[in-house]
Parts: sequence; structure tokens; C-alpha cells
Amino acid sequence: NAGVTQTPKFQVLKTGQSMTLQCAQDMNHNSMYWYRQDPGMGLRLIYYSASEGTTDKGEVPNGYNVSRLNKREFSLRLESAAPSQTSVYFCASSASGTPSNQPQHFGDGTRLSIL
Amino acid sequence: SQKIEQNSEALNIQEGKTATLTCNYTNYSPAYLQWYRQDPGRGPVFLLLIRENEKEKRKERLKVTFDTTLKQSLFHITASQPADSATYLCAPDLYSGNTPLVFGKGTRLSVIA
Repeated sequence: NAGVTQTPKFQVLKTGQSMTLQCAQDMNHNSMYWYRQDPGMGLRLIYYSASEGTTDKGEVPNGYNVSRLNKREFSLRLESAAPSQTSVYFCASSASGTPSNQPQHFGDGTRLSIL
Repeated sequence: SQKIEQNSEALNIQEGKTATLTCNYTNYSPAYLQWYRQDPGRGPVFLLLIRENEKEKRKERLKVTFDTTLKQSLFHITASQPADSATYLCAPDLYSGNTPLVFGKGTRLSVIA
């Protein structure tokens, strides 16, 4: 049982390049999330998808776009990468119902460096 | 997140002692609060969820309390072991209802043998 799988695990980009981070879950969860984690800042929500076909902005959405491709997959795209987007990106999922009373299951992250 | 304060960035304790981590939130009335563990290089792992009417919840050596008057949750690890060394994150349901969690910055616990 893989849970939440993120690809790639590491990536180095140059400023201005674009990239899509992939996330897939095999738990039949309705809700999916993208976070970034920076030293001293904790986990911050970028975008989330409460159910297939819907997406909403989180705390720090600027510079990112998302696509809920189907129930399993939720991708995060950086259209024009900036050094400020250097971070560790985590994808998570949770079961249906009120998201806040459901545990979130996280992937192991994508470590992204932008030069 | 500035809405959530976790007592300190780092906490060192001796093996066998009880570790107590604090999570304070202000100006909100969460119905739920979750605690997660994060090891270096890994994603957070869910530990416990406590509801506002539960006051206390236990799982093996873990105990969580939820004081809605003090706007505080305490997370206890009894008989701590070096394997308990990790960062612990609290995540209250600040906005109630169908909205995502907001995570605290975490407390890094080191259990010294």
C-alpha cells in the first residue's frame, strides 16, 4: 500500500523554468493538498482540492497552479520558477467528509532548488 | 503560522522522562485538533485527533489534552525513548467546518539516552 506518492523526489531548476510536481494517492481519498515547508515557517498550504473537480487557494498560492486530474492525482505547476520558491513541497490527502476532522496522509516530499 | 504557537522550537529531555509539548491558539474556537510527527526528510505522520468535547485522549504512551478555555492543547509522551526524537506539529481546526487545517511550526524533541 503506497499511500501518497510524489515525484520527483529532488529537482534543481533555473530561474524562469517551468515544472510540474506530481502527486498520486491510492486510498480513494476525496481531498488532496499541496504544502510547502520552509525553515522557520512551518507547513503552509498552497492549494487544495476538497473533491474531484474543485480546487481552492490556500495561504500562499501566488506563482503556482494546480490540476486535479482525477480522484487519484493532484499536480502542482510552477510556470516561471523563482528562487523564493526553493522549498520542500508536500502533497497530502484525506478521506471524504469535513476535512478538518480527517487525518491527512502525506507523501515524503519533493525537494526543489531554484538557482 | 502566527495563529498557532508551539511552546518552543526545541525540547531536550532525558530518556524515561515525560515530554510535554504545548500548542496555543488565539482568537479561534476549533472543534478539532490534530497532532503529527515528522522525522527528518519525511512527510508528517498523523498521531492523534481530539475533539473539543473530549478533553483528553490516549494512544499507547501518548496523551493529548484539549482545553478550550485556555485555548491550549498539551501533548505528552510518557517513558520517552530516543526513538521518540522528532518534530511534532499541532494542527487545530481554526476556521471550523469544511476548511483545511492550519499547522503550527512544530517543536523538535530530542530524547537523550
